[in-house]
Amino acid sequence: GQQLNQSPQSMFIQEGEDVSMNCTSSSIFNTWLWYKQDPGEGPVLLIALYKAGELTSNGRLTAQFGITRKDSFLNISASIPSDVGIYFCAGQIWSGTYKYIFGTGTRLKVLA
Amino acid sequence: DTGVSQDPRHKITKRGQNVTFRCDPISEHNRLYWYRQTLGQGPEFLTYFQNEAQLEKSRLLSDRFSAERPKGSFSTLEIQRTEQGDSAMYLCASSLASHLDQPQHFGDGTRLSIL
Repeated sequence: GQQLNQSPQSMFIQEGEDVSMNCTSSSIFNTWLWYKQDPGEGPVLLIALYKAGELTSNGRLTAQFGITRKDSFLNISASIPSDVGIYFCAGQIWSGTYKYIFGTGTRLKVLA
Repeated sequence: DTGVSQDPRHKITKRGQNVTFRCDPISEHNRLYWYRQTLGQGPEFLTYFQNEAQLEKSRLLSDRFSAERPKGSFSTLEIQRTEQGDSAMYLCASSLASHLDQPQHFGDGTRLSIL
């Protein structure tokens, strides 16, 4: 199935550091979503972006909808151990119906 | 807070058996999605309902797979004659269709293991 390019694939960081990850595509998207998934659970919505150029924050998380509508990034500031998990981007395309395409995920590990 | 509920959480079955999973979406949500997720990958779209109408099916959804949402509320996903490659996490998500597209909220999934 189709998946978005997400990078990095994984990262180890020290507690307190800032983290940045991004998602790119050759297609234009109407909406970008960012999710976090813990082992054995479903993805949990972090941030939703609806307009090109939009910058939205949720606590220590900030995400932006790229101007070209083909990319998005997520920043986490001052990481803490509970930030560990897999982060997925998802872009919405219109193909007669609304459908979301997910990224391949960024696995984050935070070292205390 | 009643989120998306999926049942069962885990299913182990022998190859060739039929399995059925259930999803109860958030009560006011009229859109319902099924995804499959394998290890190390993001969720892959399988199918989508708006109310009781199944509006799109992925090519990933072979003839052995069928999904229903008979009353526009809960949905079932059935896999007939299961194969080893069907082992995966099956995720359900729901959203509310409105003039502003609302994001999907996921359940915790059903993990299927084929022996």
